[in-house]
Amino acid sequence: NAGVTQTPKFQVLKTGQSMTLQCAQDMNHEYMSWYRQDPGMGLRLIHYSVGAGITDQGEVPNGYNVSRSTTEDFPLRLLSAAPSQTSVYFCASRPGVSSGNTIYFGEGSWLTVV
Amino acid sequence: AQSVTQLDSQVPVFEEAPVELRCNYSSSVSVYLFWYVQYPNQGLQLLLKYLSGSTLVKGINGFEAEFNKSQTSFHLRKPSVHISDTAEYFCAVSDINTDKLIFGTGTRLQVFP
Repeated sequence: NAGVTQTPKFQVLKTGQSMTLQCAQDMNHEYMSWYRQDPGMGLRLIHYSVGAGITDQGEVPNGYNVSRSTTEDFPLRLLSAAPSQTSVYFCASRPGVSSGNTIYFGEGSWLTVV
Repeated sequence: AQSVTQLDSQVPVFEEAPVELRCNYSSSVSVYLFWYVQYPNQGLQLLLKYLSGSTLVKGINGFEAEFNKSQTSFHLRKPSVHISDTAEYFCAVSDINTDKLIFGTGTRLQVFP
């Protein structure tokens, strides 16, 4: 059981470059989300999706795009990377629509923008 | 909108001592409350959660938390910590009407021998 899989695990970008962080889950979860983790700031919600074809903004959506064409995949796109986007990114998923259901996290993607 | 405050950024304790990690939240509606643990270079895993019912919630690894509605708190406790409990602990809240899970800034628990 793979759970939530994120790729790549490590990435270095130059300012202005674009890239996509991939996230896939094999648990048939309806809800998926992206967080970024920065020292002293905890995890902040970037974007989330409650099902295929539906996405919404979280606390810090600027500079990021998402799409949800399938239940399994929820890629996060950085169109023009900035040093402020240097962070650790976590994808997460949970079953159903109740926010009381347990959320499962991927192992993280370390992104450095120089 | 809801928010979460973890008052202590770091908590150093000696092995076998008790520990309490504090969490306060604010919300105008009923909430679900969670504690997650993050070991170095790993993702987060659920320790325990409060949805409804008994205010004392028991989780994995001997941790428990008590929901106090009047004080809007959900403090995490363990009566005797081990070296292996060294990790970062995050309190999180979601209200029952939204899909967003909001995290606190985390508390680093450091257990010394």
